[in-house]
Amino acid sequence: GQQVMQIPQYQHVQEGEDFTTYCNSSTTLSNIQWYKQRPGGHPVFLIQLVKSGEVKKQKRLTFQFGEAKKNSSLHITATQTTDVGTYFCAGPDGANSKLTFGKGITLSVRP
Amino acid sequence: GAGVSQSPRYKVAKRGQDVALRCDPISGHVSLFWYQQALGQGPEFLTYFQNEAQLDKSGLPSDRFFAERPEGSVSTLKIQRTQQEDSAVYLCASSLIAGPRSYEQYFGPGTRLTVT
Repeated sequence: GQQVMQIPQYQHVQEGEDFTTYCNSSTTLSNIQWYKQRPGGHPVFLIQLVKSGEVKKQKRLTFQFGEAKKNSSLHITATQTTDVGTYFCAGPDGANSKLTFGKGITLSVRP
Repeated sequence: GAGVSQSPRYKVAKRGQDVALRCDPISGHVSLFWYQQALGQGPEFLTYFQNEAQLDKSGLPSDRFFAERPEGSVSTLKIQRTQQEDSAVYLCASSLIAGPRSYEQYFGPGTRLTVT
């Protein structure tokens, strides 16, 4: 079945540093979604990318969908302690809207 | 407005007991999903409802797992004869629209099930 991969699973950065993480799918995706889960919380929708090569920005977060629609990236500029959490990418798997999630990357930020 | 709610938030069950987990989706949301999240992992799909119809139950790990959404709103995930490997957080998510493409999903706080 479809696989969505996020490596590494953990990353530690100094506050103020930039951070980039990648997501790779075993199949071409019609779209990709990103979610953030704070420690002890539940996943919260961040963004959806649909078009090949699409780039979307949310304040310090920049999301990109690859040209082949098999990968995506999340870039955070000047990380803050509020960026701490686990970031998941997820792609649709077949019909009926269900999502396959990656294992996520847990970001910690040293103040 | 109110988000997705789940109850109970925590459940401890002895091995072999049956449990029922409830999900109240956002009012008017057509699609409802159940996911299982193990520690350090991403949510894994269990089952999907479009209104009251269960359209996909391919992720249910065994026939001990059963889900229903009889009136197209509240959903219940039932696990019979719980086993230790069932210990996980069970997340419910709802989405306004149904269709062949995926749409943003709104997650509830989850139910943490511990089987002893």
